[in-house]
Amino acid sequence: DTGVSQNPRHKITKRGQNVTFRCDPISEHNRLYWYRQTLGQGPEFLTYFQNEAQLEKSRLLSDRFSAERPKGSFSTLEIQRTEQGDSAMYLCASSRTSGDSDTQYFGPGTRLTVL
Amino acid sequence: DAKTTQPTSMDCAEGRAANLPCNHSTISGNEYVYWYRQIHSQGPQYIIHGLKNNETNEMASLIITEDRKSSTLILPHATLRDTAVYYCIVRVADTGRRALTFGSGTRLQVQP
Repeated sequence: DTGVSQNPRHKITKRGQNVTFRCDPISEHNRLYWYRQTLGQGPEFLTYFQNEAQLEKSRLLSDRFSAERPKGSFSTLEIQRTEQGDSAMYLCASSRTSGDSDTQYFGPGTRLTVL
Repeated sequence: DAKTTQPTSMDCAEGRAANLPCNHSTISGNEYVYWYRQIHSQGPQYIIHGLKNNETNEMASLIITEDRKSSTLILPHATLRDTAVYYCIVRVADTGRRALTFGSGTRLQVQP
């Protein structure tokens, strides 16, 4: 169990560029989540996968955002035409189906700065 | 999911127990209480969770009142590395909604 990993850890981009982040969950975790955290706030939910199926999306996930988990393992989060308001920490978490309470374990996050 | 209320900040002396309260007066019978913490610039770290009974693990103890309307996270011997923001989260068990709803949390400062 090596934990949830995220790459890159930091990304600086110019407004209007596209960026893609990757998340590798804990092995055998079938659920994967993306959250966003802006400075001084708690993380906010973006979207959730069970295996390869995207089962829930927050209203925060505008049409410039897309997430995939093609083989039910790693996931990518793409932001198109980035805006300065997209600057935030993007967090990934994973969990395993386990009765009523599937505990989510978080990765270190990817910090995005849009100039 | 039920709303939680936590103090904005707390201080604790190193080596003493840190007791972090959380109020969740609207909690339902099928909602778990989770605690996470977030050390500066890192991802949230799971600490402990419980439904009705008190729970203990290698990191902390969780005390849930009998009416389940409040809980306390106890770090028995706080160290400087326990300085972090602590989040109390209430989450319904096994529904379609899987998201954790984070509030503002309690900023715990452990003093040397």
